[in-house]
Amino acid sequence: DAGVIQSPRHEVTEMGQEVTLRCKPISGHNSLFWYRQTMMRGLELLIYFNNNVPIDDSGMPEDRFSAKMPNASFSTLKIQPSEPRDSAVYFCASSPPPETGLGYTFGSGTRLTIV
Amino acid sequence: SQQGEEDPQALSIQEGENATMNCSYKTSINNLQWYRQNSGRGLVHLILIRSNEREKHSGRLRVTLDTSKKSSSLLITASRAADTASYFCATVNQAGTALIFGKGTTLSVSS
Repeated sequence: DAGVIQSPRHEVTEMGQEVTLRCKPISGHNSLFWYRQTMMRGLELLIYFNNNVPIDDSGMPEDRFSAKMPNASFSTLKIQPSEPRDSAVYFCASSPPPETGLGYTFGSGTRLTIV
Repeated sequence: SQQGEEDPQALSIQEGENATMNCSYKTSINNLQWYRQNSGRGLVHLILIRSNEREKHSGRLRVTLDTSKKSSSLLITASRAADTASYFCATVNQAGTALIFGKGTTLSVSS
């Protein structure tokens, strides 16, 4: 298994531009999570999906952020318009049902820099 | 907001020594998990301990859980330079749906 695949690995964009981050979860995992990591705030849960349905988006900082999961093998996190304070590493993670007792599998992250 | 808080924030030891990291949390949990993050990489799941378990082992890792004190500890025995990383504890959020992470303990193991 290739694990959770995120793209791009790095993104540098001018403020005001639209940014789209992509994630392919592990096949068979029914939950998908988007986290943001910064030095100041640590790892923050932004949104998560269960069986492709958004369950909790209370961590999405503003309306400029949106996430979709059109099918079980793909999710996007979009920022429009982007601002310098959005600079962070964004992680996607997926997990099997909780009763399996297994943890999350994280992607390698997208390092986003808004200039 | 963070559910788990790790202590210490940073730890430096020599190879061969044991490393102990602690985690405190605020609300009742179903399980507690520990993750490792190497610099510039994603998090890797190490171990999960359920609320009805008190201790769990995996290789050189030993995790304890004290639900009465709302705390957990991660012990790495006979540490190696390759153990250098940040270690995070995580607990399930209030809705019981997703993991909330602490800010982590940065472990440095020198040879």
